[in-house]
Amino acid sequence: SYELTQPPSVSVSPGQTASITCSGDKLGDKYVSWYQQKPGQSPVLVIYQDNKRPSGIPERLSGSNSGNTATLTISGTQAMDEADYYCQAWDSSTVVFGGGTQLTVL
Amino acid sequence: EVQLVESGGGLVQPGGSLRLSCAASGFTFNNNWMSWVRQAPGKGLEWVANIKQDGSEKYYVDSVKGRFIISRDNAKNSVYLQMNSLRAEDTALYYCARVGGGSGWRFDYWGQGTLVTVSS
Repeated sequence: SYELTQPPSVSVSPGQTASITCSGDKLGDKYVSWYQQKPGQSPVLVIYQDNKRPSGIPERLSGSNSGNTATLTISGTQAMDEADYYCQAWDSSTVVFGGGTQLTVL
Repeated sequence: EVQLVESGGGLVQPGGSLRLSCAASGFTFNNNWMSWVRQAPGKGLEWVANIKQDGSEKYYVDSVKGRFIISRDNAKNSVYLQMNSLRAEDTALYYCARVGGGSGWRFDYWGQGTLVTVSS
């Protein structure tokens, strides 16, 4: 079965750029979505089709996907960005999530 | 405004059954695939099942095949998850999610979830 791998945790200082990676076999051939989940809340879609933002999502969140790696980049990270982030792809009629990355804003 | 409201969770013994419901509003329900996604306590997201707009296609994660059944009633704007032969490892918060349209597969709206606890 298809697998997506994310680092368990990423730390960033306020105002700096955070990058969260998601790796999978030939992931660049698939569309990737990203979700943000804060404690006690439901996930929120923040990036879809690799690099598109739903309405209401700040421009400082961006995505890319090439080769075997997709990346969620948060520029000018703010305290409100502290959350768990999950990547997701679709493969052979099934949906796959990465294990999630806890972003800490120090 | 799109709303998804889950119900039906609770405490059930191993081997028991439970039926989850998700009531949708704020969009044309029969235009979208719908899904169930779960999250065990302190763990990550796990996709459970999908159902096509007209119910003609259904897909499941391997761990629930043969035990769970996803269905929908477009007249009632609702999607369901019948869970049988429940196991301790099925304990999780179960989310109902709408699949966005167009290319790529994404969950653009989520409910608040309903908690299922499997324990004796």
